[in-house]
Amino acid sequence: EAGVAQSPRYKIIEKRQSVAFWCNPISGHATLYWYQQILGQGPKLLIQFQNNGVVDDSQLPKDRFSAERLKGVDSTLKIQPAKLEDSAVYLCASRRSGGASYEQYFGPGTRLTVT
Amino acid sequence: KNQVEQSPQSLIILEGKNCTLQCNYTVSPFSNLRWYKQDTGRGPVSLTIMTFSENTKSNGRYTATLDADTKQSSLHITASQLSDSASYICVVTPADRGSTLGRLYFGRGTQLTVWP
Repeated sequence: EAGVAQSPRYKIIEKRQSVAFWCNPISGHATLYWYQQILGQGPKLLIQFQNNGVVDDSQLPKDRFSAERLKGVDSTLKIQPAKLEDSAVYLCASRRSGGASYEQYFGPGTRLTVT
Repeated sequence: KNQVEQSPQSLIILEGKNCTLQCNYTVSPFSNLRWYKQDTGRGPVSLTIMTFSENTKSNGRYTATLDADTKQSSLHITASQLSDSASYICVVTPADRGSTLGRLYFGRGTQLTVWP
């Protein structure tokens, strides 16, 4: 089965610019996550979708970050305007709904550099 | 506060040698614990998963152990290879509402470098 797809793989922008990331989850996975991973740290959950509804966005900086998952499949994460501290890898993951043992499958990530 | 702590932060070993990575957690109640491997420039990939009742799980040269009483886990790598160079992340799933939602608690990872 195809894995989680993300694009672009790399992005370099200047501070105060805007950027958008795209994620296509594994087919049939109702749950989709966006994580921010700063160098040397574990992933930090930004937002979690169940189908096209938001389940948890408590750690999303809503003044500059937004995400949507129209039609419950693909998702986009946007940063507007970007700050230097947003430099990180943005990981998308998906999972089947249900039991705690179900694995999250991660995409390759988008490495964002803000200059 | 639910936390996952890993040690060491980084480790360098020679090819062919064994090593052990440690994970301590305070997540409670606890559902399962996974070890993920994250190669540079890639997303994490699950190596092993252990539930509360399991105390060891193997995946090839990787063997994970779990002591649910002391809330400690270890990942032992045998006969290391250059391809084992990666970050190894300990991830805990709570046994609460968050578990069915897939909420995870991540450690910071141990960066392993294997030298020829």
